[in-house]
Amino acid sequence: EVQLVESGGGLVQPGGSLRLSCAASGFTVSNNYMSWVRQAPGKGLEWVSVIYSSDHTSYADSTYYADSVKGRFTISRDNSKNTVSLQMNSLRGEDTAVYYCARFIIGTTNNFFDYWGQGTLVTVSS
Amino acid sequence: DIQMTQSPSSLSASGGDRVSITCRASQSISSYLNWYQQKPGKAPNLLIYAASRLQSGVPSRFSGSGSGTDFTLTISSLRPEDSGTYYCQESYSTLGTFGQGTKLEIK
Repeated sequence: EVQLVESGGGLVQPGGSLRLSCAASGFTVSNNYMSWVRQAPGKGLEWVSVIYSSDHTSYADSTYYADSVKGRFTISRDNSKNTVSLQMNSLRGEDTAVYYCARFIIGTTNNFFDYWGQGTLVTVSS
Repeated sequence: DIQMTQSPSSLSASGGDRVSITCRASQSISSYLNWYQQKPGKAPNLLIYAASRLQSGVPSRFSGSGSGTDFTLTISSLRPEDSGTYYCQESYSTLGTFGQGTKLEIK
């Protein structure tokens, strides 16, 4: 059974750092496209970052970031632990959100999120 | 960046009704369009991918249509458990954008 479990959320002051972790089971993160999607309180969904599969033909292990977090957030993968992490630095109030870890499927004619974790809340406030 | 616009932002309907939610992309995205349902306090759940393909385990009363820039999610006969917020998402571009959501209330 596929499962994603996030951890690491909490309260942090503006300018501070936090590291989120996502433990995967039922599949191997290195062969998949793993993402972080966030949702600010009462707001919609924002795709924050993705790390590409090691199997991707042209862009194996590539990482991408939303403009809103570029230069501050770093996504990474630990294949030995089957986990994905999001290192968040220089946090701002607008980063306050529930952060979801999700698996993204890239097919020949369709791409979509098929599994999501339960989410972890990050609150940036003094 | 591709912008996704959903309408309506909210709607209220009765059990057994047929409802539709539309999603418009700011440029052509072929059929790279997904629909998700989200319940309060829960993660989104995939309903439809590639504009019209029903995800395994999703009831057949859900259907999707469209291509290019205009897409529709239809629920043929509403049930109480269909309440929640529905999001479209384009997956044509890297870090594909979500629509702003449509909140569905069952009367």
